Amino acid sequence: GENVEQHPSTLSVQEGDSAVIKCTYSDSASNYFPWYKQELGKRPQLIIDIRSNVGEKKDQRIAVTLNKTAKHFSLHITETQPEDSAVYFCAASLDTGRRALTFGSGTRLQVQP
Amino acid sequence: NAGVMQNPRHLVRRRGQEARLRCSPMKGHSHVYWYRQLPEEGLKFMVYLQKENIIDESGMPKERFSAEFPKEGPSILRIQQVVRGDSAAYFCASSPRSSGISSYEQYFGPGTRLTVT
Repeated sequence: GENVEQHPSTLSVQEGDSAVIKCTYSDSASNYFPWYKQELGKRPQLIIDIRSNVGEKKDQRIAVTLNKTAKHFSLHITETQPEDSAVYFCAASLDTGRRALTFGSGTRLQVQP
Repeated sequence: NAGVMQNPRHLVRRRGQEARLRCSPMKGHSHVYWYRQLPEEGLKFMVYLQKENIIDESGMPKERFSAEFPKEGPSILRIQQVVRGDSAAYFCASSPRSSGISSYEQYFGPGTRLTVT
């Protein structure tokens, strides 16, 4: 089955700096890669996703890149703000058939004001 | 447009009792997924259902756990004879119709936090 590894487990940055979180996946058939943000005690929120037919996607301060050959994808947050502090999870799945998301172990991002 | 609803939000059960967790998907969504999250850990897939059908239950423990999504009403995750190790947050997610550009996006409910004493 699919296995997703996520690094780093914790990340502390100064407000205004950039943050990068990296994930690798094992199943070359996976073609859908979402990122979720989870604040303490809250639901995971879908913040951005990418499909395997594109290499990069951007939404304001957030971008995701995908390298299918190397089977890794990354989340980039620019101009970080204290409200970006949360746990971020990457995930991988197929977009048809078996759609179960396989999650990484999470990255706790702390943005210092 | 109401999001994914789950109830109860918190549930306390004694060892050996049954736990029933309910999930109502977003309006227009016909696919439901259940995930379990242990403290300080990521989410683990349990089961994927469509109306009246279990599509994938490869993440469900073989015993004591069952799930359904009837034609009418919410999806239910049922845990019989709960043990302390079942204590976790159980999240439900839903996604839209079978085909289409957004059909694979999963939106999560607020979760049910189960505590077994």
